[in-house]
Amino acid sequence: AQSVTQLDSQVPVFEEAPVELRCNYSSSVSVYLFWYVQYPNQGLQLLLKYLSGSTLVKGINGFEAEFNKSQTSFHLRKPSVHISDTAEYFCAVSPGIGGYNKLIFGAGTRLAVHP
Amino acid sequence: GEEVAQTPKHLVRGEGQKAKLYCAPIKGHSYVFWYQQVLKNEFKFLISFQNENVFDETGMPKERFSAKCLPNSPCSLEIQATKLEDSAVYFCASSMTGTGTLNTEAFFGQGTRLTVV
Repeated sequence: AQSVTQLDSQVPVFEEAPVELRCNYSSSVSVYLFWYVQYPNQGLQLLLKYLSGSTLVKGINGFEAEFNKSQTSFHLRKPSVHISDTAEYFCAVSPGIGGYNKLIFGAGTRLAVHP
Repeated sequence: GEEVAQTPKHLVRGEGQKAKLYCAPIKGHSYVFWYQQVLKNEFKFLISFQNENVFDETGMPKERFSAKCLPNSPCSLEIQATKLEDSAVYFCASSMTGTGTLNTEAFFGQGTRLTVV
């Protein structure tokens, strides 16, 4: 079985500061890894995904994440945040190949960007 | 359509009443997923379909919850005899055929907020 741990429930940060949102996973099989963002009263929007290849993945809105197999981590980073980045961020894993597999989510990290 | 459409946006039911939620996946997507998001933000997988067929129902409560995806109709999630703990936002997602690594993105709808009073 797979599981996802997001180590921080809330991350406050000032505008234009860098941020890292941490995600660790456990799985006995190869997985695909995802970061989603949820703005208030909205659905989930995909930020980026790791399927294979380069361990550094670049996504939308200036976010990137690095897959570290030995540490079973997939931390999300942004070098300079904006007020508009305030949202809930979810790390997720999906076992196997293809879009038909369910996503297993972490509990989420609330990013609060302050002026 | 170009987006996953969920209706209604909000639904209020008295305890014991039935609730029915609908989801129209993106045209051309073969897979549909239902997730339940409770107040503490945790997403719980409920069920997935490949076209009209149940693909994975390991997350569905054995009692009271049922779901269908019939041809030429929106998919539906039905809760019989709702309970207070069913209060949550229910999200539907769809994705293209499962073959190949390119088709791994699930697109989410905006959810239906169910409040059981």
